[in-house]
Amino acid sequence: EVQMVESGGGLVQPGGSLRLSCAASGFTFSNYAMSWVRQAPGKGLEWVSTISGSGGSTYYADSVKGRFTISRDNSKNTLSLQLNSLRAEDTAVYYCAKTEWSFALHYYYMDVWGKGTTVTVSS
Amino acid sequence: QSVLTQPPSVSAAPGQKVTISCSGSSSNIGDNSVSWYQQLPGTAPKLLIYDNNKRPSGIPDRFSGSQSGTSATLGITGLQTGDEADYYCGTWDSSLSVGVFGGGTKLTVL
Repeated sequence: EVQMVESGGGLVQPGGSLRLSCAASGFTFSNYAMSWVRQAPGKGLEWVSTISGSGGSTYYADSVKGRFTISRDNSKNTLSLQLNSLRAEDTAVYYCAKTEWSFALHYYYMDVWGKGTTVTVSS
Repeated sequence: QSVLTQPPSVSAAPGQKVTISCSGSSSNIGDNSVSWYQQLPGTAPKLLIYDNNKRPSGIPDRFSGSQSGTSATLGITGLQTGDEADYYCGTWDSSLSVGVFGGGTKLTVL
């Protein structure tokens, strides 16, 4: 069974840092892009970042560029998101999602999602 | 403000049909296929439709998708109370090099 389990969320003060992790299982991790998507309380889905299967290509939303860093360890089937300079508006549930992606064939979608981990930025 | 535009809410009676629209531009829906996600209350999103009109295994054929130009539509027939959820469209924006979602549509089955 394909599964993603996020961890690392918690309460952090504004300006602080946090590292989220996503443990993937049930598929050949290195063959797939992976993404982080967040959802603020009562709000819609917001795409945060995507990383290619090799880790060589990364993409970020403008709202997090320069503050968040996505990475992956294909030997450990683990996806990470380093969150720095956190702001109140970063408060959200963060989802990890297996991503099917082809520039050549023009498709991009998230086919399996984790249950999410909650990040709260507050003093 | 989301890059993709969806109506905030739609409603219909049990057994009826409903459609949810998703409007974008030439650099997102006009260039890449659309996916749809269902988010039941208190749960993670689930893939409902990919490649504009394909259903993952386990998704009933009551759910359908279509795309034309820079717009896409999700259709749900034979509405059930269990279909009450938030629905999101998504794709890739080739000009911005970012993933994009619609603002979400809340479906109420009256």
